[in-house]
Amino acid sequence: GQSLEQPSEVTAVEGAIVQINCTYQTSGFYGLSWYQQHDGGAPTFLSYNALDGLEETGRFSSFLSRSDSYGYLLLQELQMKDSASYFCAVPSSGGYNKLIFGAGTRLAVHP
Amino acid sequence: NAGVMQNPRHLVRRRGQEARLRCSPMKGHSHVYWYRQLPEEGLKFMVYLQKENIIDESGMPKERFSAEFPKEGPSILRIQQVVRGDSAAYFCASSPRDRGIDEQFFGPGTRLTVL
Repeated sequence: GQSLEQPSEVTAVEGAIVQINCTYQTSGFYGLSWYQQHDGGAPTFLSYNALDGLEETGRFSSFLSRSDSYGYLLLQELQMKDSASYFCAVPSSGGYNKLIFGAGTRLAVHP
Repeated sequence: NAGVMQNPRHLVRRRGQEARLRCSPMKGHSHVYWYRQLPEEGLKFMVYLQKENIIDESGMPKERFSAEFPKEGPSILRIQQVVRGDSAAYFCASSPRDRGIDEQFFGPGTRLTVL
């Protein structure tokens, strides 16, 4: 089977840096993606890592270590609008876009 | 280019009624995925469809739930004889191909409440 583990909640202050970890167990690996979801909103794609290393997109970066079955999302220069839930996800063992999601990490950014 | 459209955004049904949820994929997208999200949980895959074909319905309950994606018109997720446990947010996503994680786009969701 496939499963993903991530912390349920993280709290940080404006301007700080926060790291949201995700460990996964999959029968085949096709990459790790991250989604942001504000309350009442739709999941929005943030990043995707298929290979080891760090991918940077503005204030957000995502890291993957396939040997450790581990990745993280790094959010820098936190803003209040970053308060949301963040989900890591992997494609199903078939490799196509059927996504298996973690339970989500709720990030609260305080002034 | 309009995004993925879902309607209605909110749907209230009494136990035993039918719920019909619609999803119009982005223009040019022929792959549609439905997910269900319970409060404080992640999204759970339900069904994957291409035009006129169900490719994978492994996440969909065997009874009361059905899905279609006709040649013309939106994809429909139908829930018959709804029960309180069906209350959730239902999201659809579309993509132009069956692979390419960064090309999957989600709609705003339909929030179903069963009284």
